[in-house]
Amino acid sequence: GENVEQHPSTLSVQEGDSAVIKCTYSDSASNYFPWYKQELGKGPQLIIDIRSNVGEKKDQRIAVTLNKTAKHFSLHITETQPEDSAVYFCAATSSGYSTLTFGKGTMLLVSP
Amino acid sequence: DAGVIQSPRHEVTEMGQEVTLRCKPISGHNSLFWYRQTMMRGLELLIYFNNNVPIDDSGMPEDRFSAKMPNASFSTLKIQPSEPRDSAVYFCASSLTLSSGNTIYFGEGSWLTVV
Repeated sequence: GENVEQHPSTLSVQEGDSAVIKCTYSDSASNYFPWYKQELGKGPQLIIDIRSNVGEKKDQRIAVTLNKTAKHFSLHITETQPEDSAVYFCAATSSGYSTLTFGKGTMLLVSP
Repeated sequence: DAGVIQSPRHEVTEMGQEVTLRCKPISGHNSLFWYRQTMMRGLELLIYFNNNVPIDDSGMPEDRFSAKMPNASFSTLKIQPSEPRDSAVYFCASSLTLSSGNTIYFGEGSWLTVV
């Protein structure tokens, strides 16, 4: 089955800096890669996703890049703010179905 | 719009007791997923349903775990008997269909502590 590796496990940045979280996946057939943000005491919430026919996608301060050849994808957050502090999960589909295999998560701390 | 609704939000129970977690998916969604989250193992898929039918339960850890979906608007995850190692956050999630690329929406989770 699919295996998703995510790093770093923790990331501390100053407000206004950029943050980058990287993930690799094992199944070359995977074609959908969402990113979720989980705040304390809440469920994961989708923040951005990318499909295999696209190399990059942006939504305001958030961008995701995908390298299918290398089987890795990254989340980029620019101009970080304290409210960006949370745990971020990458995920990949493990088959033609929308079942997701998640990375272990990155705890992002943005200091004012 | 109401999201995925889970109950109870928090439960503390004694080892050996039966635990039932409940979920109401988003109206109109045909696929439902149960995930478990722990510090050690992260987010694990336990079982998923499509049109109320279980598709894959290979993630269910043991026979003590069972899940049902009697209709399109309700699912349960049952643990009987419960053990301390079952302590975790259990998430229910739903999506429009099982097709790859459909957004999966998560509930707020049920925080289970077995003492």
